[in-house]
Amino acid sequence: GAVVSQHPSWVICKSGTSVKIECRSLDFQATTMFWYRQFPKQSLMLMATSNEGSKATYEQGVEKDKFLINHASLTLSTLTVTSAHPEDSSFYICSAREFGRALGEQFFGPGTRLTVL
Amino acid sequence: AQKITQTQPGMFVQEKEAVTLDCTYDTSDQSYGLFWYKQPSSGEMIFLIYQGSYDEQNATEGRYSLNFQKARKSANLVISASQLGDSAMYFCAMRDGAGANNLFFGTGTRLTVIP
Repeated sequence: GAVVSQHPSWVICKSGTSVKIECRSLDFQATTMFWYRQFPKQSLMLMATSNEGSKATYEQGVEKDKFLINHASLTLSTLTVTSAHPEDSSFYICSAREFGRALGEQFFGPGTRLTVL
Repeated sequence: AQKITQTQPGMFVQEKEAVTLDCTYDTSDQSYGLFWYKQPSSGEMIFLIYQGSYDEQNATEGRYSLNFQKARKSANLVISASQLGDSAMYFCAMRDGAGANNLFFGTGTRLTVIP
């Protein structure tokens, strides 16, 4: 299957700092990338959907000024958690759909564990 | 209303036995896709199997098969010949027209394979 990478795999930061997480599709072009958040022992919750070259679409309740998403190319999307606070500590997972696929599978990155002190 | 329902928070299976993980879904669309993902303790989401709503045959991928019962709106995952490495969280998900891009995930089932 297609490969999606995320960097970093884990990060610890102080409250008030900003953290950038990168998501790359390594062997395919992703027209759409998704950012999910997963709290311990819970399911994945979609935060936002990003399409290359356009603004991200955020889910209800997700602050777009806090979670900045940039989908700069067909292989790269970034999520920046601005002014992070302890309640932002979570597992962030990106996902990508391959260009040209219809209802096909969606590939996930390995996730980034963010801990805000 | 929940789009995806997984009623089994945890399941146990003996090694080499088969196990069925339940999933029911709710949609008014005719065109939709159903997915199963495995999430081991490392956190990565591993795609297992996909079933399209128009597919007449149940999807199979190696030891995984999807028991698709459209009238009942169920898409149960069957794992045959369970292995210790199958111990993980399993999530059922759906994409339909309403959430044209989004995958709606169920709450997951934790499967433990007993040696």
